[in-house]
Order: sequence, then C-alpha cells, then structure tokens
Amino acid sequence: DGGITQSPKYLFRKEGQNVTLSCEQNLNHDAMYWYRQDPGQGLRLIYYSQIVNDFQKGDIAEGYSVSREKKESFPLTVTSAQKNPTAFYLCASSSGLRETQYFGPGTRLLVL
Amino acid sequence: GQQVMQIPQYQHVQEGEDFTTYCNSSTTLSNIQWYKQRPGGHPVFLIQLVKSGEVKKQKRLTFQFGEAKKNSSLHITATQTTDVGTYFCSTDSWGKLQFGAGTQVVVTP
Repeated sequence: DGGITQSPKYLFRKEGQNVTLSCEQNLNHDAMYWYRQDPGQGLRLIYYSQIVNDFQKGDIAEGYSVSREKKESFPLTVTSAQKNPTAFYLCASSSGLRETQYFGPGTRLLVL
Repeated sequence: GQQVMQIPQYQHVQEGEDFTTYCNSSTTLSNIQWYKQRPGGHPVFLIQLVKSGEVKKQKRLTFQFGEAKKNSSLHITATQTTDVGTYFCSTDSWGKLQFGAGTQVVVTP
C-alpha cells in the first residue's frame, strides 16, 4: 500500500521544547516537502529536498530544521526558536520538483 | 512570492447552483495543476492542464486552461455538499511548484 505517512496526527508541545515531526514515503519519490498551514490559509513552504542529503529553505524556514538521510524519510524539527509553531504541518513528495505532489495526512501541532 | 492569484478567496454556494473559481497569472504558465483539500484533510491532486485552451472534465467539474496560458478556471455544476473544501491551483515556478492561496468553498444545503 503505497503512500505518505505522517506521525503523530496530533502533537502537543510545551513552550521552549523542540519537537520532531515524522514523514515517510514509499513512492520512491526523489523530492519531498514540508508545508505549514494556518486556519483558513494557504500552504507555505518551509523546506524542500530534491535528493538525499540535500535540502533547501522555503519561504518560512526560520525556526525549523530538516534532514534527508534516507530517500524515504524527511523529518521536520520545530525548534524553540519558532515563536508561533501552532499550525497544521503537511508533508508531500513528488518524483521531481516540477511534478505532481502527493500529500500526507498532516500533523496538527499545538503549543501549550 | 506566489506566481498565481486565485479568486475569489471565499465562495458561498447554494446546493444545486453552479460556480467558477479562477487562477490568474501575469506571465505565461507552462502548466496548471488543481488540488482539493477537504476540511480537516490534506490536499489531493485533481488534474493537470498543459496545452493552450485545454479543457478537461471530471464528472461535474470542468477545468480550463486559457488560450494565452495565463489563467485557468474550475467550474462546478450542480454543487453538492461533497464539493465543500479549498481548491488550490499550482504551477511550475522557478523550478518547483508554487501554490495559489486557494478558494475556500462553503456549500449551503
């Protein structure tokens, strides 16, 4: 059963803590992405990766970090430097940067 | 910044009515993709348009790419409550997909 999985579905964090969101895909896609979505808003690109061991900042990278050690995995760390982290985080993948993107179910992060 | 502008930002539709949402650009686009995000869900790819003047249909949804390849439209006929959600267009910009801000559609029974 191919697709993209994100875990957890809901995540609670205390202020000042770092937290890592998981994203795994078995679609054999080279490119992966992280987006942030606030209520009633569009998609804002945080980071993207075109290939293993390479990633680029998106439009709102400050306060976030990523790694791409494996083709299947692209975890996102929300650091304490991110001042307003409460949001819906979506991971996506595609065969190439210009190709159709397939999204995971998302993780809702709530800072307490 | 975004290369495509979507209008309207919000669309309230009575069930059974038709409506159209638009995706516009000041520059010529290589292609347009449309996605739908249901409330609480994630964006799902609907269709891609590549050719000038291209029209594609999916049941009650009609997608069109303008002759000048600077705009696209999504027309829904006989709107149903299942059509509720946000519709995003996206296009290849600077080597990767850029998404519009979306049109949020609310359907009144």
